Formats: sequence, structure tokens, C-alpha cells
Amino acid sequence: DTGVSQNPRHKITKRGQNVTFRCDPISEHNRLYWYRQTLGQGPEFLTYFQNEAQLEKSRLLSDRFSAERPKGSFSTLEIQRTEQGDSAMYLCASSSYRVPGEQYFGPGTRLTVT
Amino acid sequence: EDKVVQSPLSLVVHEGDTVTLNCSYEVTNFRSLLWYKQEKKAPTFLFMLTSSGIEKKSGRLSSILDKKELFSILNITATQTGDSAIYLCAVEPTANAGGTSYGKLTFGQGTILTVHP
Repeated sequence: DTGVSQNPRHKITKRGQNVTFRCDPISEHNRLYWYRQTLGQGPEFLTYFQNEAQLEKSRLLSDRFSAERPKGSFSTLEIQRTEQGDSAMYLCASSSYRVPGEQYFGPGTRLTVT
Repeated sequence: EDKVVQSPLSLVVHEGDTVTLNCSYEVTNFRSLLWYKQEKKAPTFLFMLTSSGIEKKSGRLSSILDKKELFSILNITATQTGDSAIYLCAVEPTANAGGTSYGKLTFGQGTILTVHP
């Protein structure tokens, strides 16, 4: 399977705990995006990478959120001191630099904070 | 701030009906408008539109963009139960006047389409 993969698919955590999600993009794509989606809403942009460089981060994103793409391949998204409002589906997508809008999404990680 | 509004928010039809989904947008520097289909999983890419008045078509699905009036429509003819999904519209801006894009998409809320047999 050469699509975008994400792990874990589901995560249940208690408020205040830290969580980390992983995304493996399509291998030839150098752009990687993180989005968050809540029920009844479209995906909301969080951050994006070109190779290993994080080039933009949403102003709405709390300092508790951090993302890395250390070798320009897989990426991790960490949420520190989780809050109930962080409960959402976290989607990763990748694209080529030639057609950045045509993004291929992974299956997502559903986070539930209790 | 870029904005996308879709209508209707939900639609229930019977197999064989034709549906039209609407998307209006505001974006500072327009590069493209995209349609995605989301079933019980991740969004999948349908169309990218960059020029006004040129219809993109794939099977029973088609879409057109009006850059003057800032909207797009997605048509689905002869609907099937497998078309039941959330249809998402998104806009892609350019990062600057030079036309470089980051691929930072702003999505609408989506239209939930339910097709009954």
C-alpha cells in the first residue's frame, strides 16, 4: 500500500496526558500537512512541512501542539497536556510541490480526551 | 481570512436523481478550488479548478468554477447509493503575488449527501 498511513488509528487519553501521532506520507511527496476535523466541520489546517522544514503553523494552534518531520519523511504531531477540546480527528495529507492543492489524506487518528 | 461556505448542508435524494452542490468562497489570492469526497474515512480528491467556465468531468460527476462570482458547483447525475458521502469544497491561495502556493487549504463545512435506493 503506497498511500498515506497514520498511527495509531484511535487514541483515548486522560486530560493532562501527552499524546503523539505519526504520519507516513506517500514516499515521493515532499509536502506534508496536518489538519484537525471535528464533527460537522471540514478539516482545519494546522501546519505544513516542505521536506524537513516546518513552513507555516496556524495562528489558532496552541503552544501545546508541536510537529516535526526530522528526516523529511515521516512526521509526528505531539499534543502536550491534552484538554477535552482537543478531541477530534487528526488528518495527515501529503502532496507534491508541483500540485500542492491535490492532497492525499491518510485515514486519520481519532483522539478522545476523557 | 479565507472563507468557504457550502450549501445545502445536507441533502437526501433517491437513486437516479441529479444533485447540485454549491460552494462560495472568499480568498485573498486565488490559486485553485478543489472538491473532495469523504466517506467514513479520509477525504479523497475529486477535482481541481483553476479557470473560470471550464467544466471538469469524471463519469457522472462534473464541476465548474465562476471566478467572477466566487462560486463553484458540483453536479452528480444519476445518483447511486455509493455516492452517499460528505462533499467538501476547499480553496487554495497563493502565498504571495508571485503565485507560489503552500497548499494551505481552507475547507467548507461540507454537504452531507444521502442517496436512498
